[in-house]
Amino acid sequence: GDSVTQMEGPVTLSEEAFLTINCTYTATGYPSLFWYVQYPGEGLQLLLKATKADDKGSNKGFEATYRKETTSFHLEKGSVQVSDSAVYFCALSDQGNKLVFGAGTILRVKS
Amino acid sequence: NAGVTQTPKFQVLKTGQSMTLQCAQDMNHEYMSWYRQDPGMGLRLIHYSVGAGITDQGEVPNGYNVSRSTTEDFPLRLLSAAPSQTSVYFCASSRGDTSGDEQFFGPGTRLTVL
Repeated sequence: GDSVTQMEGPVTLSEEAFLTINCTYTATGYPSLFWYVQYPGEGLQLLLKATKADDKGSNKGFEATYRKETTSFHLEKGSVQVSDSAVYFCALSDQGNKLVFGAGTILRVKS
Repeated sequence: NAGVTQTPKFQVLKTGQSMTLQCAQDMNHEYMSWYRQDPGMGLRLIHYSVGAGITDQGEVPNGYNVSRSTTEDFPLRLLSAAPSQTSVYFCASSRGDTSGDEQFFGPGTRLTVL
């Protein structure tokens, strides 16, 4: 079945550092790919998405490119802030709108 | 718009008790779903609904029932709670059933089963 693997955390960075969170997927079809973010004590909210190969999703300085050849959707940000501290989930939807999530990566940004 | 609302926020049950987790959305979304979040496992789909009167099972449906009598509401029932159902439960909704549609999540219900 479909699956998502993302790098384990926690990831601890200093403010203004470069961020990469790796995400790879396995799917039988042509899935849509997502990054969701969960701030402490809250539900998940969509950060960005890409629906076909080579699409780049971007939002709030975060970017991720749908790479079909490497089955990857790595999340990047050039300069993180303390307010980016959260849990980041990579996810895919292949059949209908059923989401398959990775385990989540905790990001901690120190000032 | 309140978005997706869930009640209660916290609940403690004893093994064998029953309860219903409530979920409502005011965005007129057709698609609604329930996930559970466990440490190190991300979120897993329990049940989903593509419209009023239509429900189906997700990845981990055992021990849970759902119904969808209105577009707005999608309650999740635990008929006989077990410690393995200790988790954080999230309800989500989206406009349609198309891969790529953004899903909107509620704030979650933290359930502990003793």
